Parts: sequence; C-alpha cells; structure tokens
Amino acid sequence: EEQLVQSGAEVKKPGESLRISCRGSGFTFTNYWINWVRQVPGKGLEWMGRIDPRDSYTSYSPSFGGHVTLSVDKSISTAYLQWSSLKASDTAMYYCARRIYYDPYGLIDFWGQGTLVTVSS
Amino acid sequence: QLVLTQSPSASASLGASVKLTCTLNSGRSSYAIAWHQQQPEKGPRYLLKVNSDGSHSKGDGIPDRFSGSSSGAERYLTISSLQSEDEADYYCQAWGTGIHVFGTGTKVTVL
Repeated sequence: EEQLVQSGAEVKKPGESLRISCRGSGFTFTNYWINWVRQVPGKGLEWMGRIDPRDSYTSYSPSFGGHVTLSVDKSISTAYLQWSSLKASDTAMYYCARRIYYDPYGLIDFWGQGTLVTVSS
Repeated sequence: QLVLTQSPSASASLGASVKLTCTLNSGRSSYAIAWHQQQPEKGPRYLLKVNSDGSHSKGDGIPDRFSGSSSGAERYLTISSLQSEDEADYYCQAWGTGIHVFGTGTKVTVL
C-alpha cells in the first residue's frame, strides 16, 4: 500500500525552529518529487516548494522561498520541511504530496495526511 | 503566469449530477490538470487527471461516478449520482514554469 505518512501536530512559540517530516512507503520514493502545500484554516491550497529525492534539488514558490527549507533523506524515504524562526502566521496545516518526476504536466497524484502547526505565544 | 479559475460554489440534489469547471488562462489550453477532493476536516485526495483531448485517468479506488472532460481551455469534473459524502471542496491543479498552481476551489453542496 502506497503511503505518505507525516509527523504529528506541533505547537510552537514565535521564533522557535521546527522540522516536520513526510515518509514514503509502498512506492519507489526516488521516482517522485515531494511537494509541500500549506492550508491556512478556512482557506485554499498554496504550493510552497518541492524537492527531488534523487539529487535534493529544490524549487520554492516566491511566496515561501527564504522562510522555509526543504530537505530529504532518500535512505529512509523521508522528506522534511523546516523553519528556523516561526511566526504566528505560519499557523496552518501542511501537506506533503508527490508527483512523478517524468510527468510533463507535473500533476500531484498522492497526498500525506497533513501536519497541523500552531504557532502561538 | 499560470492561473486556474474555479467558481466558488456549486450545488445539486442527492442522486443528481454536478459539473465543475476549471479554466486555464490564455495560452495554456494544451495543459492537463488534476482534480483533488477535500472533504470537511480531511486532507486532499487525488481524484483524476484530465488531458486537453478530454481523456481522463482516475486515481486508485475512485468511484466511476467521477469523470473528467475538456473543451478548449476548460477542464471539467462531473460527479454523477451525487452522494452525501461528495459534499466537499474540489481543487484543480496544474504545473507551469516550475510552479505548481491550485485553483481557488469549488465548494459542492449536496441538497
């Protein structure tokens, strides 16, 4: 069974750092780019960036580049989303989602269950 | 810049059909898109892919009452025989110039 399993909910204070994870199983992890998508409560889906597990190449949305860092450990089929200094406005649900690397249309075909991040003083 | 336009809401009666539209902006009529469903308090789920020629391919386990079609720059998701569990937000998604783009979503209400 194919799965993208994300780490559990987090509660942090502004200024703190955080890393959340997304572990793939049941499929060849290196055949897929892993994307991260933010959803603020009551709002739509926003693409943050993606990473290619084959070479760790990253691409970020202009809206998120510089504030978050994507990384991957392909030996354990796990991708990470990291903040060095959280803001209250980072409070949201975060989803990882895969797309096969050779799809010319770049369509997402599987989602993780989501990680809720709450940032509050 | 790729832009996907969706109507904010749609509704239909239980057992009826509803057709959702996702419109690609100018010059993008050859793009394929994906449709994703997000039921209340749940994460998104991939439904199907719609190609520019109107063909579509569904994700694993997606019921036959979900189908896709296309006309010009418009991509459609049709839900037949509406069930209560189909009440959800539906997002279209595509990829252009290195960026994934989502539509703003259509909220489907089952009457």
